[in-house]
Amino acid sequence: KAGVTQTPRYLIKTRGQQVTLSCSPISGHRSVSWYQQTPGQGLQFLFEYFSETQRNKGNFPGRFSGRQFSNSRSEMNVSTLELGDSALYLCASSLLDSLNRYNEQFFGPGTRLTVL
Amino acid sequence: AQSVAQPEDQVNVAEGNPLTVKCTYSVSGNPYLFWYVQYPNRGLQFLLKYITGDNLVKGSYGFEAEFNKSQTSFHLKKPSALVSDSALYFCARWGGYNKLIFGAGTRLAVHP
Repeated sequence: KAGVTQTPRYLIKTRGQQVTLSCSPISGHRSVSWYQQTPGQGLQFLFEYFSETQRNKGNFPGRFSGRQFSNSRSEMNVSTLELGDSALYLCASSLLDSLNRYNEQFFGPGTRLTVL
Repeated sequence: AQSVAQPEDQVNVAEGNPLTVKCTYSVSGNPYLFWYVQYPNRGLQFLLKYITGDNLVKGSYGFEAEFNKSQTSFHLKKPSALVSDSALYFCARWGGYNKLIFGAGTRLAVHP
């Protein structure tokens, strides 16, 4: 079974631009979560989607947004990029069901975003 | 608020010696606890989890962790360290709706 895939793996943007990152979950997984990893702030939760609905959101500004499609693939978008948005963005998929019961999360390799 | 803490930024150990990476958790909520490992330029790999049941949890690559409710700890251990174990280790807890709350991470360096 293929793992979680993220595209692109590396991205360089300049301040003020916007960027879209993509995540394809493991087949059959309906929950996708996104995380930001930086040296200063560590791993921080961005948001989670299940059945195309955002159910949980971390403490990030509105410039960070996401969506999920009917095939469970997810995208996240960052508008008006700032230098501090440079980070590794990780997505994770899970079999988590609508009852919010725990299921293991599987992480993708991440997208390394550099903002110049 | 739910949180986890990893008190050590780095742990150094000689190859063949036992290793321990420490993690403590806040008392609030169900302590569903996890350990993940990250190698350079890679995503996170799951090592083990504690949900309920036996306090000693065995995971991948010879790692194990002990859930200690009285000390609110979930330390990661391995009897004999390998150089290839050198990586960044994260303790995490489940925050509901597929949200993981991570500790700051501990860099493990195993020296030959």
